[in-house]
Amino acid sequence: NAGVTQTPKFQVLKTGQSMTLQCAQDMNHEYMSWYRQDPGMGLRLIHYSVGAGITDQGEVPNGYNVSRSTTEDFPLRLLSAAPSQTSVYFCASSYSEGVGGQNEKLFFGSGTQLSVL
Amino acid sequence: AQTVTQSQPEMSVQEAETVTLSCTYDTSESDYYLFWYKQPPSRQMILVIRQEAYKQQNATENRFSVNFQKAAKSFSLKISDSQLGDAAMYFCAYRSASYGKLTFGQGTILTVHP
Repeated sequence: NAGVTQTPKFQVLKTGQSMTLQCAQDMNHEYMSWYRQDPGMGLRLIHYSVGAGITDQGEVPNGYNVSRSTTEDFPLRLLSAAPSQTSVYFCASSYSEGVGGQNEKLFFGSGTQLSVL
Repeated sequence: AQTVTQSQPEMSVQEAETVTLSCTYDTSESDYYLFWYKQPPSRQMILVIRQEAYKQQNATENRFSVNFQKAAKSFSLKISDSQLGDAAMYFCAYRSASYGKLTFGQGTILTVHP
């Protein structure tokens, strides 16, 4: 059981370049989300999705786009990378958005360390 | 909006001793969940313990226990018999009972001395 798979693990970009961080889960989870981790700030929510075709903004959405065409995949796109987007990015999923039973546990990917020069 | 505050950027403990990590939160909701996550140098996020707000009994998982004070909006983590493998960044997190988004604290780096 692979769980939540993120690729790549490391990436270096130049300012203005675009790229997509990939996230896939094989647990049939409805809820998927993207966080960024910065020193002294914990993890902050970028975007989330409660099911295929449905996405919404989190706390820090600017500069990022997402889509959810399938249940399994939730890619995060940086259209024009900026140094302020240097961070560690985590994808996380759970059975559904609601809580109770197995919904409470959020499964995390292993993270992507992104540097924008 | 909910906020989570960890006021201790760094903590240290001797092996086999006990350490307590602090967490406070602010919310107007009455039903919610609280979590402690461990992040070792591997970057993996590991769920350590969780607490349902409607339960008065403090959660316990082996050497890890919490002191949940709902009225004070405090949720501290106690690690007993500390081990070298406990060294990591620890995050406190809040999750509403109504939606899935987690709100994290700033994190506390725990060092364990042999």
